[in-house]
Amino acid sequence: NAGVTQTPKFRVLKTGQSMTLLCAQDMNHEYMYWYRQDPGMGLRLIHYSVGEGTTAKGEVPDGYNVSRLKKQNFLLGLESAAPSQTSVYFCASSSQGTHGYTFGSGTRLTVV
Amino acid sequence: KNQVEQSPQSLIILEGKNCTLQCNYTVSPFSNLRWYKQDTGRGPVSLTIMTFSENTKSNRRYTATLDADTKQSSLHITASQLSDSASYICVVARPLAGNKLTFGGGTRVLVKP
Repeated sequence: NAGVTQTPKFRVLKTGQSMTLLCAQDMNHEYMYWYRQDPGMGLRLIHYSVGEGTTAKGEVPDGYNVSRLKKQNFLLGLESAAPSQTSVYFCASSSQGTHGYTFGSGTRLTVV
Repeated sequence: KNQVEQSPQSLIILEGKNCTLQCNYTVSPFSNLRWYKQDTGRGPVSLTIMTFSENTKSNRRYTATLDADTKQSSLHITASQLSDSASYICVVARPLAGNKLTFGGGTRVLVKP
């Protein structure tokens, strides 16, 4: 039972570099989400998807892009990384109901 | 603005003792309120989920309460163990637009022997 898998687990970027974070789920969930977690703050929603081929903005979408080409995968892209994007990123997925919400183990990103 | 506020921010308790964490929310409407446990370096894991019509829900040594009138919830940990050291996050689910969750900032609990 893999659940939600995030890769990579750690990454250090230089300012201006780009990268893609991958999230994969094997639970056939319709909804997928990307959050960031910063010290002392609650998780904040970056982008989400309610189904294959659809994406929507969350609370803090600026500087990020996402794609959901396959139901099981949700990609988060940083086109030009900034130090303000240093954070821990969590992916989650859920069924159409509000239960069954599962988080990945996180990606720790440092932008220097 | 929809908010979820937790208190205290952190606490230290001795192994075997009980503790209670508090959560106040202004999110409205909401479909359910959840408590998550987040170990260091890991993603949040669900402990309890309560709909607005439920007053209490237990999961082993964790008991959550909900007062929808005062918009308050609490999480009680009974007979704490070292493995209870973690952050506990109160989360309110909004029923519209893709099951969005509003997260509290968490309470960091440290259980000492």
